[in-house]
Amino acid sequence: EDKVVQSPLSLVVHEGDTVTLNCSYEVTNFRSLLWYKQEKKAPTFLFMLTSSGIEKKSGRLSSILDKKELFSILNITATQTGDSAVYLCAVGIYNQGGKLIFGQGTELSVKP
Amino acid sequence: DGGITQSPKYLFRKEGQNVTLSCEQNLNHDAMYWYRQDPGQGLRLIYYSQIVNDFQKGDIAEGYSVSREKKESFPLTVTSAQKNPTAFYLCASSIMGEAGNTIYFGEGSWLTVV
Repeated sequence: EDKVVQSPLSLVVHEGDTVTLNCSYEVTNFRSLLWYKQEKKAPTFLFMLTSSGIEKKSGRLSSILDKKELFSILNITATQTGDSAVYLCAVGIYNQGGKLIFGQGTELSVKP
Repeated sequence: DGGITQSPKYLFRKEGQNVTLSCEQNLNHDAMYWYRQDPGQGLRLIYYSQIVNDFQKGDIAEGYSVSREKKESFPLTVTSAQKNPTAFYLCASSIMGEAGNTIYFGEGSWLTVV
């Protein structure tokens, strides 16, 4: 059975801290891995990763994929209270109509 | 503005009643999806559709039905057969890309069954 597991499930940090969120997966026919940020409503797209070892970066956020170890991390540096959200990891699979398999999410809380 | 519009945002219904959640997109995306999210959990796929007049069951399709008569619209009906319908429902759409699909979400609909 295809599955995506995120850790930790929740995390509390203080502003300025750096955090690393983890996502591991076991799927057949891996195509892509995506990260989303969800703040009480619809998830917003952050990154899509398809190749190992190539870091994607957007401001203070970055992510990298390891297809050998079936693992991805999402890093957030110099955290701000506005980073508080649930971060979702999802895996896309070939020949499955474009559907994504989601992990449970990591709830990040950034305290002032 | 291009986007995905879900309605209503909040819906209360009595047990045993069918309800229909609307989803409309003007992004010209081929594929559309319905996900369900329960508190503290990730998203689970209910149904998806890659083209008009065709759709497939996701992982938790029991108690739900959909239609795809137009490219822009993918309504979801929560039937009385769904045992625990209270949840947050997300509609999404995507365009098929080479590297994979990036799915974009609507704002969601909160359904509470009393």
